[in-house]
Formats: sequence, structure tokens, C-alpha cells
Amino acid sequence: DGGITQSPKYLFRKEGQNVTLSCEQNLNHDAMYWYRQDPGQGLRLIYYSQIVNDFQKGDIAEGYSVSREKKESFPLTVTSAQKNPTAFYLCASSVPGLAGFGAQYNEQFFGPGTRLTVL
Amino acid sequence: DAKTTQPPSMDCAEGRAANLPCNHSTISGNEYVYWYRQIHSQGPQYIIHGLKNNETNEMASLIITEDRKSSTLILPHATLRDTAVYYCIVRVLSNSGYALNFGKGTSLLVTP
Repeated sequence: DGGITQSPKYLFRKEGQNVTLSCEQNLNHDAMYWYRQDPGQGLRLIYYSQIVNDFQKGDIAEGYSVSREKKESFPLTVTSAQKNPTAFYLCASSVPGLAGFGAQYNEQFFGPGTRLTVL
Repeated sequence: DAKTTQPPSMDCAEGRAANLPCNHSTISGNEYVYWYRQIHSQGPQYIIHGLKNNETNEMASLIITEDRKSSTLILPHATLRDTAVYYCIVRVLSNSGYALNFGKGTSLLVTP
């Protein structure tokens, strides 16, 4: 089955430690995204990547880093510089498409999320 | 992207139609209306999208006003499993990956 996997589902870390969240997709999608969600809030964009070896900062990139060495993988590292890292992290992917070829190509598929708690 | 306004919460009785409104008065001609929903502690799920014509799929119907300044997502026969936060998003199509601008959405509670 095609889809997006995120691991682990729950993650606990001590304050000051870096932690890497995994995101893998086998949908052959070019674009991948990381969002953060705090309780009762909408999603906020951290980083996104339109193609391998390329990525751009989103609205709240400070304290985070990413890499995109393979099409299937887009790991997110939460560094010790992130002041309030406890949150629900969501990864997504999509097929970039030309306008006119169908909006379905811009649909984003989301993983199940990782809930990070920093103690 | 145009900004959207949604009521923070709504209730609906099981089996009845749920009508979720969205205001997007600053929408421009090339912007689509997308709807996603997020069941508690899960990733968001795409529901439907449209430009100016009404759209229907197996999950829902999307009604867009003629002036495109507002839209309504209709779940024709709501079930308890439709309890979720529903997000209305307006954005242009792009020939490259384009992040979605999620607001706080509408929290829909379907009651027995």
C-alpha cells in the first residue's frame, strides 16, 4: 500500500537534546512538507521541499533543520535552539502539477504524525 | 493566498446534513477552494476542492457562491465518525509543491 509513514508515534526527550523525526513516503511524490500543530491550533509550516536536495523555510523554521537526500525521505531535526518543541508534528507529500491538469495533483497526503514531548 | 473565516465550532445530529460555511471574500480568480478535515490526533485528510462550479464526491459536496466569496461544505448524512476539525483553504494551483495555509478550522461535533 502506498502512503506516508512517520516514526515514532510518541517521542520523549530531555530538554537540550536534538531529536530527529522520520518521514518516509512511497507515493513517488516530489514535494514534501513538515507542519507543527499546537493544542487547539491549526497547522503551521516548518519546512518544505519541492525536489531532492532542495528545501525552503516555512513560517516557523527557527530551531529546526531538514535534509532531502532521497525522494522518499524528509527527516526533521528539532534542535536544542527550538525554545518550545513540545508539539504534534505532521509530515505531508504531494505531486506538483501544472495548473489545468487537475487540482488533484496539488492534494497533500499526510502521515499519522509524531507527538513530541520535551521533559 | 486569500484569507478564510470559519465558525470555531458547530454541532450536528447524526444522520442529518452538516453544512459548514467558509468566507473567503478576498479570493482571486485563480484561487481554488480546498477542504480538509482532521480527526483527533491524526493527520489531515483531503475532502474536496473546487474553483467555481459545485463539486460532489463520495465524501461531500462543495457549494461555491456565484461571486466566489463564500462556500459551504455539505456532509449529506453525518455520522459520529465525521466528528473532526474541518479546514477551508484557498490557494492557487502551482506547478511546484505549495504548502497549505491551515487556520483553526471548524470543530464539528456529530451527536447521537
